Amino acid sequence: DQQVKQNSPSLSVQEGRISILNCDYTNSMFDYFLWYKKYPAEGPTFLISISSIKDKNEDGRFTVFLNKSAKHLSLHIVPSQPGDSAVYFCAASRGNYGQNFVFGPGTRLSVLP
Amino acid sequence: DAGVIQSPRHEVTEMGQEVTLRCKPISGHNSLFWYRQTMMRGLELLIYFNNNVPIDDSGMPEDRFSAKMPNASFSTLKIQPSEPRDSAVYFCASSLSGRTGNTEAFFGQGTRLTVV
Repeated sequence: DQQVKQNSPSLSVQEGRISILNCDYTNSMFDYFLWYKKYPAEGPTFLISISSIKDKNEDGRFTVFLNKSAKHLSLHIVPSQPGDSAVYFCAASRGNYGQNFVFGPGTRLSVLP
Repeated sequence: DAGVIQSPRHEVTEMGQEVTLRCKPISGHNSLFWYRQTMMRGLELLIYFNNNVPIDDSGMPEDRFSAKMPNASFSTLKIQPSEPRDSAVYFCASSLSGRTGNTEAFFGQGTRLTVV
């Protein structure tokens, strides 16, 4: 049973427009959420995170929104660039000592020039 | 810091052979994770260590898989005997966990294992 879900396997967006990637989780004990980006033949790279005490975190073109009551988070990329084309993974963990990270299945983003 | 270092990058082996994957975490990190990525299951956690102690190995598929972390700077994942269905990309990651919560996990480049 997947605790972290990304229901869109793929997404295509025009360069310069907004990309919105969605993630849902089932475990209410999760209190720390992360987004990773992965290029082919490379390991996932950390992008941005958010603690459950916040509902928004922004870093440059990337913003993560958290809706705890809906157990939903989203990643907004504005403006999207061709170099953003990659697989994006949502991950969640409990903020206790030594907890592991649970990953969603990923969404492949294609930014079209 | 060079980041998380995994070796080898690629491994091709015959069914039934023993395979050992190696990982050097980032210095100072106290949590280490082994993940496996496949088309069918995505990124699945196999095992994670905290302060060199295995905390959760419920993701290890079966007894053919074993992992060790003899010290804070080295971990191995062993498959014996290997089977074709073990073919996947295996990632090692490390993080700094503390009583105030986790930092993000940093991943290595992965080992692509092919069992023929």
